[in-house]
Amino acid sequence: QVQLQESGPGLVKPSETLSLTCAVSGYSISSGYYWGWIRQPPGKGLEWIGSIYHSGSTYYNPSLKSRVTISVDTSKNQFSLKLSSVTAADTAVYYCASQMATIPGWFDPWGQGTLVTVSS
Amino acid sequence: AIRMTQSPSSLSASTGDRVTITCRASQGISSYLAWYQQKPGKAPKLLIYAASTLQSGVPSRFSGSGSGTDFTLTISCLQSEDFATYYCQQYYSYLLFTFGPGTKVDIK
Repeated sequence: QVQLQESGPGLVKPSETLSLTCAVSGYSISSGYYWGWIRQPPGKGLEWIGSIYHSGSTYYNPSLKSRVTISVDTSKNQFSLKLSSVTAADTAVYYCASQMATIPGWFDPWGQGTLVTVSS
Repeated sequence: AIRMTQSPSSLSASTGDRVTITCRASQGISSYLAWYQQKPGKAPKLLIYAASTLQSGVPSRFSGSGSGTDFTLTISCLQSEDFATYYCQQYYSYLLFTFGPGTKVDIK
């Protein structure tokens, strides 16, 4: 079955760029579908960050669009998130997830999540 | 952006109870709604999509209904493993997804 695994630094300094990667196993990204990033601040709800189509087309949350870049590397079967100019408000658990349906809709499955703390 | 609200924000229930959670969209979203269950320290798990379609492997005590702006998630007979936080998510707004704030179900 499809599995996703996030990786990246757990601590980022304010004003720097957060970088995470999501490795996909059990399915070839180049075969299709959308792949997304969602985050959850400690004790709070879920916020969609953005999604990327297997071809590379990207779609971002307008509230984060100026700072977000999502890219895909089909040769490594992974996709990545970069969030620039981070502040403490960007401290959250970051999840990657797939949107494996004919329309980009629900998220399933999800990675286990990785906590990123923004602090000096 | 489409705003999602949920009620109640939390509820206390006992094993065996019937539990209903409501999700409301700020505008009509047809049936483009999903429900998730999240346990502490874990990723959300998809329960229902298209408002009422049960994801494979999800127990039949979970059901979803509604269309337009008002939706419900029902757990017919609450089990101990169902104590968790539940989120709705709309996907009507093409590639601008939004989640509800969540409903926490805990033990009475």
